[in-house]
Amino acid sequence: NAGVTQTPKFQVLKTGQSMTLQCAQDMNHEYMSWYRQDPGMGLRLIHYSVGAGITDQGEVPNGYNVSRSTTEDFPLRLLSAAPSQTSVYFCASKGDRRLGEAFFGQGTRLTVV
Amino acid sequence: QKEVEQDPGPLSVPEGAIVSLNCTYSNSAFQYFMWYRQYSRKGPELLMYTYSSGNKEDGRFTAQVDKSSKYISLFIRDSQPSDSATYLCAMSGGSNYQLIWGAGTKLIIKP
Repeated sequence: NAGVTQTPKFQVLKTGQSMTLQCAQDMNHEYMSWYRQDPGMGLRLIHYSVGAGITDQGEVPNGYNVSRSTTEDFPLRLLSAAPSQTSVYFCASKGDRRLGEAFFGQGTRLTVV
Repeated sequence: QKEVEQDPGPLSVPEGAIVSLNCTYSNSAFQYFMWYRQYSRKGPELLMYTYSSGNKEDGRFTAQVDKSSKYISLFIRDSQPSDSATYLCAMSGGSNYQLIWGAGTKLIIKP
């Protein structure tokens, strides 16, 4: 099925470990983004990309890196995990940058201990 | 003060009732207004979007925007237990069109 695919669905990390959350879409969307969702705080933008080779910071970028080497893939890297990064992470994409993201992945539940 | 305010609920109503969900905002540059539905342990899904002021209807759902009051609403008619979810509002505008999100309202439809 077409859409946004995120892996893994669940992950437990120890403080200081690094990892990469994978995100892929097959709709040829230029715009992709990463959000984190915490209770009572809605969705907060971490990083976004408006096309291959172009990325920019969102509201809460510290501790995260991204790259966009292809239109399809937009991985999110946690450099040195901290308990404050315990959250649910969503990748999303859209074809029209003026509108909200039309497609979200299923999410990655990350716990940092 | 947050740019977008949304009552977190929970809002509990009986099946068949009309539901009204609301958001207020402070930035007059917002032009696009979105409503998302999020089931437990799932990603948000885009329900409807509206450009500028006015109403938009899609089946049992009606989105309303009042830019003069900086107030948006989502109405659900003939509510069903399957409508139980968290509803998030989001809006964009200005130079970069980044979405600004409400915190979400948890809706419970009782059979």
